[in-house]
Amino acid sequence: EVQLVESGGGLVQPGGSLRLSCAASGFTVSSNYMSWVRQALGKGLEWVSVIYGDGSTNYAGSVKGRFTISRDNSKNTLYLQMNSLRAEDTAVYYCARHNIGWGFDPWGQGTLVTVSS
Amino acid sequence: QSVLTQPPSMSGAPGQRVTISCTGSSSNIGAGYDVHWYQQLPGTAPKLLISGNDNRPSGVPDRFSGSKSGTSASLAITGLQAEDEADYYCQSYDSSLSGYVFGTGTKVTVL
Repeated sequence: EVQLVESGGGLVQPGGSLRLSCAASGFTVSSNYMSWVRQALGKGLEWVSVIYGDGSTNYAGSVKGRFTISRDNSKNTLYLQMNSLRAEDTAVYYCARHNIGWGFDPWGQGTLVTVSS
Repeated sequence: QSVLTQPPSMSGAPGQRVTISCTGSSSNIGAGYDVHWYQQLPGTAPKLLISGNDNRPSGVPDRFSGSKSGTSASLAITGLQAEDEADYYCQSYDSSLSGYVFGTGTKVTVL
């Protein structure tokens, strides 16, 4: 079964750091595009970052320079290192697989990140 | 600030047809990038509903259909059912932003 399971969310103070993980099963992370998407409570979806099959990456302007996406091929796991966290980064973070001509599918169940003092 | 605009809400009686619009620009939908649609039920992760403008993934009822023209796309739900009450999002790629973009989202209510 193709599945994604996120972990690593929690409460962090402004300026702090957190690393999210997304464990994949049923497919190979390194052979696909993998993205992080976030959703603040009661708000819409916001794309955060992507890592392509060749290892290249890209980021939304709101997180560029603060967040880093990576993957561990041996663990078939995607990561999001989040530094210099701000209150506005508070959201549920989802990981998702996608490819050219195909949408984000599947999605993980999401992990909640709360940035607050 | 989303670059894809959707109506905030739409409603219909059971059995009716609802069409949700997604308006973009020349740097995303108008540039030829594919549009995908997602359904998000309350408290759950989004689910891919339409891929590549008009393709239904396995298991998605044929009551859902997608189309694209110019700088816009649409999602149609025919034979509206109570279980279709959810939030719907369109999504594409934007060359100006060099990233993926989601629509503002539409809440569908079944009367």
